[in-house]
Amino acid sequence: EIVMTQSPATLSVSPGERATLSCRASQSVSSNLAWYQQKPGQAPRLLIYGASTRATGIPARFSGSGSGTDFTLTISSLQSEDFAVYYCQQYNNWPRTFGQGTKLEIK
Amino acid sequence: QVQLQESGPGLVKPSETLSLICTVSGYSISSGYFWGWIRQPPGKGLEWIGGFFPSGNTYYNPSLKSRVTISVDTSKNQFSLKLNSVTAADTAVYYCARGIPDYWGQGTLVTVSS
Repeated sequence: EIVMTQSPATLSVSPGERATLSCRASQSVSSNLAWYQQKPGQAPRLLIYGASTRATGIPARFSGSGSGTDFTLTISSLQSEDFAVYYCQQYNNWPRTFGQGTKLEIK
Repeated sequence: QVQLQESGPGLVKPSETLSLICTVSGYSISSGYFWGWIRQPPGKGLEWIGGFFPSGNTYYNPSLKSRVTISVDTSKNQFSLKLNSVTAADTAVYYCARGIPDYWGQGTLVTVSS
């Protein structure tokens, strides 16, 4: 099973600032990496797939990069609605696996 | 638009079988994509349970494989999850989902308790 490790566990950032979230895979997942945003009481929302492709309707302030084992989600200018928990997920191998999540909180 | 909706009992007794159905609208399951079940214990992360391609291949998480069955009813555009011999550790919000996933159901909380 591929282990996905996200860092940091919690990130405190002020609105309008940039946030950078990291995800590392225990072995290569090529570009088969997705990022999700989850708010309390809601299902996760797909933000990025293929490591760097924004899903339909996702604002341009969200961007993804990386391939192989190291990936980054960047939110260029944080809006109030962006404070949530973010998960990465690899879909290169079965079982698909998620990282443990990064909580993005208001500083 | 594609919509998924989970249904089933919200309370299951220990050692019994958890059964859920996912009803899909706006897209035919048999047309393609991977379909599956994901769960999230309260306050914790996400875990894939299993899924299938309409072509016939079904995949189960090895950690749950001995207890899980996923089946599909294309005539009703539904697929189902059965998890047997449940314990309190199986208490979670259960989601059905399509693809990577790009579409998710709203989730249903299943509590295992006597």
